[in-house]
Amino acid sequence: EAGVAQSPRYKIIEKRQSVAFWCNPISGHATLYWYQQILGQGPKLLIQFQNNGVVDDSQLPKDRFSAERLKGVDSTLKIQPAKLEDSAVYLCASSLSYSPYEQYFGPGTRLTVT
Amino acid sequence: SQQGEEDPQALSIQEGENATMNCSYKTSINNLQWYRQNSGRGLVHLILIRSNEREKHSGRLRVTLDTSKKSSSLLITASRAADTASYFCATVRLGGSARQLTFGSGTQLTVLP
Repeated sequence: EAGVAQSPRYKIIEKRQSVAFWCNPISGHATLYWYQQILGQGPKLLIQFQNNGVVDDSQLPKDRFSAERLKGVDSTLKIQPAKLEDSAVYLCASSLSYSPYEQYFGPGTRLTVT
Repeated sequence: SQQGEEDPQALSIQEGENATMNCSYKTSINNLQWYRQNSGRGLVHLILIRSNEREKHSGRLRVTLDTSKKSSSLLITASRAADTASYFCATVRLGGSARQLTFGSGTQLTVLP
């Protein structure tokens, strides 16, 4: 079974530039999550999708972050414009059902904003 | 905000020894999960314990849960160098409209050969 795929693995941009991350969840997983993990901390949930609908985006900085999952499969997370404090690893995860009994994580995208 | 806090923040042991990590949380939970993260990689689910369970085993892992103290512990027996990683507890809060995982800050475990 293929795992959660993410790209790119690494990205370096200057502040005020924009960046997009892509995630393809495990086939058949209806629920998709985006997390932000700052160095030395645990992951923090940014947004949760159930199929192509948003379940919770209360911790997403909506003035600069956006995410979509148009066909209920893969998803993109965008930051525009980026700030220095956005430097982090962005993790995508998926799970079979609405209740997250177990989440499967991708390798993450390490973003450095200079 | 981080729901759980792991203790210690860092732990260094010799191969073959046991490693114990603790997690404390703040709100009532549906379940608590432990994840492992190797350097530069995604998280891997290790074990889940429900709020009505007190202890659970999986291979060399043993998890306990004390809901009255809002705490959990993860014991790794007979540790190996390959167990070197960061370990995170994550809770699913009781109630609420979205059953989300809220992660702690993690324990960095180093197993020396």
